[in-house]
Amino acid sequence: DTGVSQDPRHKITKRGQNVTFRCDPISEHNRLYWYRQTLGQGPEFLTYFQNEAQLEKSRLLSDRFSAERPKGSFSTLEIQRTEQGDSAMYLCASSLASPGDYEQYFGPGTRLTVT
Amino acid sequence: GDSVTQMEGPVTLSEEAFLTINCTYTATGYPSLFWYVQYPGEGLQLLLKATKADDKGSNKGFEATYRKETTSFHLEKGSVQVSDSAVYFCALSLTNRDDKIIFGKGTRLHILP
Repeated sequence: DTGVSQDPRHKITKRGQNVTFRCDPISEHNRLYWYRQTLGQGPEFLTYFQNEAQLEKSRLLSDRFSAERPKGSFSTLEIQRTEQGDSAMYLCASSLASPGDYEQYFGPGTRLTVT
Repeated sequence: GDSVTQMEGPVTLSEEAFLTINCTYTATGYPSLFWYVQYPGEGLQLLLKATKADDKGSNKGFEATYRKETTSFHLEKGSVQVSDSAVYFCALSLTNRDDKIIFGKGTRLHILP
């Protein structure tokens, strides 16, 4: 399977705990995106990377959120001191971002439940 | 700012009925337009896209035409099947900028046998 993978698929945590999610993009895709989808809503952009550089962060991404892509391959999204409002599906997508091919391919998501 | 508005669901139709899901957009630049589908228990999949005015995207019997004059990208299918039951998202992206996708809220579609 050469698609985008995310780990874990489900995470239940208690309020105040830290959590970290991982995304493995399609190999050789240079752009990687994180989105958040709450129940009954469409996905909302959080941040994206061009190779290892984080180029944009949404104002939705509070100081408790941090994302990295250290070697320009996989990425991690960490949420510190989780709150119940962080409960959502966290989606990762990757793209080749070359002229004529900007399609983003989405992973299955990590569903976070904060109790 | 850039945004997408699509008709609220749920939409319930009988098998073989004609489907239209309305979508309009607001964009500061010249966006590419998409329809994504999310089947129960599965991830987001690109259904179809159009990158310039008057382009028609099509896939699996679904069609949508990029209408710049009405800023619309309505999804249509002539004869729906039970297997089309899913959540459909209209979306836009400003290609050649940051490419982030801006999604509508989604429309849940139920097809009755």
